Amino acid sequence: DARVTQTPRHKVTEMGQEVTMRCQPILGHNTVFWYRQTMMQGLELLAYFRNRAPLDDSGMPKDRFSAEMPDATLATLKIQPSEPRDSAVYFCASAASSGEGETQYFGPGTRLLVL
Amino acid sequence: GQNIDQPTEMTATEGAIVQINCTYQTSGFNGLFWYQQHAGEAPTFLSYNVLDGLEEKGRFSSFLSRSKGYSYLLLKELQMKDSASYLCAVPRGSGGYNKLIFGAGTRLAVHP
Repeated sequence: DARVTQTPRHKVTEMGQEVTMRCQPILGHNTVFWYRQTMMQGLELLAYFRNRAPLDDSGMPKDRFSAEMPDATLATLKIQPSEPRDSAVYFCASAASSGEGETQYFGPGTRLLVL
Repeated sequence: GQNIDQPTEMTATEGAIVQINCTYQTSGFNGLFWYQQHAGEAPTFLSYNVLDGLEEKGRFSSFLSRSKGYSYLLLKELQMKDSASYLCAVPRGSGGYNKLIFGAGTRLAVHP
């Protein structure tokens, strides 16, 4: 049963600390997305990769957020330094391709609370 | 740009039928997705429409009218487990890349 996995599932940290979230896309999927979901803003795209190359990170605050794909089986989203307004659920999703009709499969999310 | 509007909340009775509407404005249309999201869980794919008309998948159907910028998700024979948020999403702009813009979601509560 192929699934997107994310770690950690929950993270509580203090303002100013570094937070690293990890995602393992479905094997064989070449497109990976990072989303953030809050009650106020809903589900927002932060960044996405195709074949490990970043295609768009315009939704991401550049000064503190960074996203990488060290290899085809791992995507990371890092926040440094973290702020209380970063508290949200962060979802990773993967797709078999970057085509317009391609279904995205979401991981279970990382629930982040910054105090 | 791409604006997506959905009702915030809906309630319905178990066994009934409910229609969740979505209107969108987009500079280049590349299909429309519906996702279901249970509280505390990840969104899961329900349907994708790129042509006008109704597509049926069991108890769930999705309709699209491109000329009107309108879609709806129809849920029949409602069950308690259908209580969830339903998100419509459109790919952003053109260019062949599947960058989805999501609506705020419609929270559906199914009552006995």
